Amino acid sequence: AQRVTQPEKLLSVFKGAPVELKCNYSYSGSPELFWYVQYSRQRLQLLLRHISRESIKGFTADLNKGETSFHLKKPFAQEEDSAMYYCALIGAGGTSYGKLTFGQGTILTVHP
Amino acid sequence: GAGVSQSPSNKVTEKGKDVELRCDPISGHTALYWYRQSLGQGLEFLIYFQGNSAPDKSGLPSDRFSAERTGGSVSTLTIQRTQQEDSAVYLCASSFRQGANTEAFFGQGTRLTVV
Repeated sequence: AQRVTQPEKLLSVFKGAPVELKCNYSYSGSPELFWYVQYSRQRLQLLLRHISRESIKGFTADLNKGETSFHLKKPFAQEEDSAMYYCALIGAGGTSYGKLTFGQGTILTVHP
Repeated sequence: GAGVSQSPSNKVTEKGKDVELRCDPISGHTALYWYRQSLGQGLEFLIYFQGNSAPDKSGLPSDRFSAERTGGSVSTLTIQRTQQEDSAVYLCASSFRQGANTEAFFGQGTRLTVV
C-alpha cells in the first residue's frame, strides 16, 4: 500500500526565515512524488514534482530514498507563501499504477 | 471549458437523502480522481478512474458511496442516505496520463452540507 505522511498540521514562521515542510512516504517501488499547494480561495494546484528537479517560487524538494522523504524547503519565506501544502505520491506500477495519494496537508502561515 | 468543472458548487441536503456530484474533466484526460477534503483529515482518496474503469475503489467510505464514469469523460459520485459525517468538500481532479509523472488538475470542489 502507498502512504504519504505529513507530520505537521500547522507550521508558522516569520517572513525571511527558512521553512521546511516534512513529507515521508511508504511505497514498494520507485515513487513519483509531488508537492501541491492550495492558496486561500483558489484551487489545489501543482507546485513541483521531484522528477523535474526544479525550483518553483523559491521552493525545492529532494527525494531521499534512504529516508523515504520528500521535504519541501525554502530558504526565505514570504507572506504570500501562506497556504495549505500537500505532498503526494503516484503509483508507478503494479496494482497501484496511476493512483494519486495525498498526505494530510500542512497549513503554512508566514507572519510579517 | 478549459479546466475541471464540478457541479453543484454547494449542496445542502437533509440527512437520509441521496445526492449526486458531477465532475467534468479536462477534455482528453484519461485519469479522473475523487477526493474528500475535510478539516483535520486532509485530502482523503475516494476512487480513481482510468478511462471508464475504476482500478481502485478502496477509498470509498461505505457502500452508500458509488461512482461511475461514462464515455471516458464525465463522472458522477453518488452518496445514498446521506449522513452528517458526509459533510465535506468533494474534489475532483483529472490528468492526461503519459507515464506516472503527470500533473493532476483540480476542480473547485463541491461543498456538501448534510443537515
